[in-house]
Amino acid sequence: SQQGEEDPQALSIQEGENATMNCSYKTSINNLQWYRQNSGRGLVHLILIRSNEREKHSGRLRVTLDTSKKSSSLLITASRAADTASYFCATDAGNTPLVFGKGTRLSVIA
Amino acid sequence: DAGITQSPRHKVTETGTPVTLRCHQTENHRYMYWYRQDPGHGLRLIHYSYGVKDTDKGEVSDGYSVSRSKTEDFLLTLESATSSQTSVYFCAIRGERNTEAFFGQGTRLTVV
Repeated sequence: SQQGEEDPQALSIQEGENATMNCSYKTSINNLQWYRQNSGRGLVHLILIRSNEREKHSGRLRVTLDTSKKSSSLLITASRAADTASYFCATDAGNTPLVFGKGTRLSVIA
Repeated sequence: DAGITQSPRHKVTETGTPVTLRCHQTENHRYMYWYRQDPGHGLRLIHYSYGVKDTDKGEVSDGYSVSRSKTEDFLLTLESATSSQTSVYFCAIRGERNTEAFFGQGTRLTVV
């Protein structure tokens, strides 16, 4: 069964607003990763947060990790139309392949 | 962009025929993966490889086989294609555990 589960399944916001997506998982992990997928394309890595980290930033992206709740969130600030894509979390237990959730489909309306 | 190429990019095949998808990388990465992506299911792991001739099954391996005779190539074979194998297939590579993965552009396979 899949490890990560994203919430919400779909999100629609206006340009300039912030977008928050959540990911919950079931077992212990070494790190958690977020990926983006534009329609019809492959996934692109956005950010990796290790199990001993609580927060990480990359440009307009902010990721948090709460290992006690087995959850993570991805915040995209000041969203742009170009941020329209599907976003996936992936859990990494170290000795197993990445396990992906079903994704959140983000629509940013100009 | 990581050097990873999938071929073919699109294929239509008939039920019962064998099909082979190829993933080729120029990064000399140790780990290679095959995922399938279907609406409502996200990405599911089919098979993966952790070295030449070293492979293991994933979550949805039934009906699929793989081979890795060279570091750079990872082949996915559908022995006898079925309509349930209509999907988009992605190859991914990783240099080491606990690092990011790089994905190919995908192969859209339709079994009629």
